[in-house]
Amino acid sequence: DTEVTQTPKHLVMGMTNKKSLKCEQHMGHRAMYWYKQKAKKPPELMFVYSYEKLSINESVPSRFSPECPNSSLLNLHLHALQPEDSALYLCASSQGTGGNGNSPLHFGNGTRLTVT
Amino acid sequence: GEDVEQSLFLSVREGDSSVINCTYTDSSSTYLYWYKQEPGAGLQLLTYIFSNMDMKQDQRLTVLLNKKDKHLSLRIADTQTGDSAIYFCAVLGGATNKLIFGTGTLLAVQP
Repeated sequence: DTEVTQTPKHLVMGMTNKKSLKCEQHMGHRAMYWYKQKAKKPPELMFVYSYEKLSINESVPSRFSPECPNSSLLNLHLHALQPEDSALYLCASSQGTGGNGNSPLHFGNGTRLTVT
Repeated sequence: GEDVEQSLFLSVREGDSSVINCTYTDSSSTYLYWYKQEPGAGLQLLTYIFSNMDMKQDQRLTVLLNKKDKHLSLRIADTQTGDSAIYFCAVLGGATNKLIFGTGTLLAVQP
């Protein structure tokens, strides 16, 4: 079982809907990440939070809005998405972001998002 | 930027050894990781190696690193049907501190 929990597992939304993806970890990790993964492709980094502050935004469109309410929680708010945004959205956490091998990323099982 | 490549597909028979290869371009890479992704699941960290090592063994898994050729491999001994999955190598750039994933290798284990 993964120690990073994501909800919901599946989400179908229309292009005018507003929804949120949630991620939770209780490993005491100080860095949390959002990745997007298309079928049969590697994950692509979207956002990084370090000590609850946004440290990296990989030029993600504003229809994706991350939020880190506390060190254990990470949300991704979705609004006015396009069908091409359909993908598996993965959350990950790590002890730090200092490039330490003892700080590898731990992934959740993802939310499978379909935009209709 | 960093480029990390893997062969797309590998098929082996149950009980054989599997070797999954990965090549990268950033010679200043510090840590190199192997992740496993089963259908419908997230990425599971299998093992990792620091760039000053050339080999690491962990039960059925052996990681080999050839830093000169920028080549990383994962050997799975006594491959089982439960090992069927996509395997991603990931490289931590020394200069960028960013984790770059390889293209992924689909391992199919035939009974």
